[in-house]
Amino acid sequence: GAGVSQTPSNKVTEKGKYVELRCDPISGHTALYWYRQSLGQGPEFLIYFQGTGAADDSGLPNDRFFAVRPEGSVSTLKIQRTERGDSAVYLCASSLMGGSGNEQFFGPGTRLTVL
Amino acid sequence: AQKVTQAQTEISVVEKEDVTLDCVYETRDTTYYLFWYKQPPSGELVFLIRRNSFDEQNEISGRYSWNFQKSTSSFNFTITASQVVDSAVYFCALSEDYSGAGSYQLTFGKGTKLSVIP
Repeated sequence: GAGVSQTPSNKVTEKGKYVELRCDPISGHTALYWYRQSLGQGPEFLIYFQGTGAADDSGLPNDRFFAVRPEGSVSTLKIQRTERGDSAVYLCASSLMGGSGNEQFFGPGTRLTVL
Repeated sequence: AQKVTQAQTEISVVEKEDVTLDCVYETRDTTYYLFWYKQPPSGELVFLIRRNSFDEQNEISGRYSWNFQKSTSSFNFTITASQVVDSAVYFCALSEDYSGAGSYQLTFGKGTKLSVIP
C-alpha cells in the first residue's frame, strides 16, 4: 500500500510570498500530524488533526501558519508572508488513530527554502 | 526544559563493532511512550520501536536491542555488529499528552549521527 506522500518535494519561494504544502496520508488513517525539521535538529511538532478538526495546534509558531484537512484525508499546511526563518523540511505523519502513542508513519517531507 | 536528550551528536564506528546510542527523557506523566526512528541520507523517517511506560522489558530485534530504565529515565539503543547500511541519523522521541488535547505528538531529541566505516 502507498505510504504518506507530500508535494511538492521542494519549494523555493521569496520572502513575503504565500505557500501551500500538501500531505496525503495513508488511507484510513484518521490522525495526521505536521512537523518541521530544521537543519541538524529533530522534527518539531506543529499541529495535529483527528479527522477534519485541528485537535491540537499548540506547535504552530505564529498566526502566519495555518493548516486544514477539510475531508479528513488530505491536509494542506499554509504559510503566509514567508520569512527566511521558515526555511526547513516540513514533515507530515499519519497514524491509524490519534493518541495512545500509536506509531506515526512519516512522509518524505517538503523542503521549503525562503530566499 | 529539554524533554529528550541525545548527548551524542556524532558517532563513528568501524563495521562489525557494537554501538550504543543514548537517550534520556524527562516527563511528569505516568503514561507515555518512547520511540526510536532512523533517518537515512534519503531523509525519510523510519520507525524502529515503540515502548510504553508500563513495559520495562528490554527488547531485541535482530541486531537491534533496546534498554529501557525508568529509574534513570533512559531508553538506550544498541546495534550489534554494525553494518554500513546502519549509517544514518537516529532519533529518540517521547510521546505524551503534553497539551491535554490527546494528541500524543512526538517530541524528538536532536539526533545522533552514526557513521559506520567499512
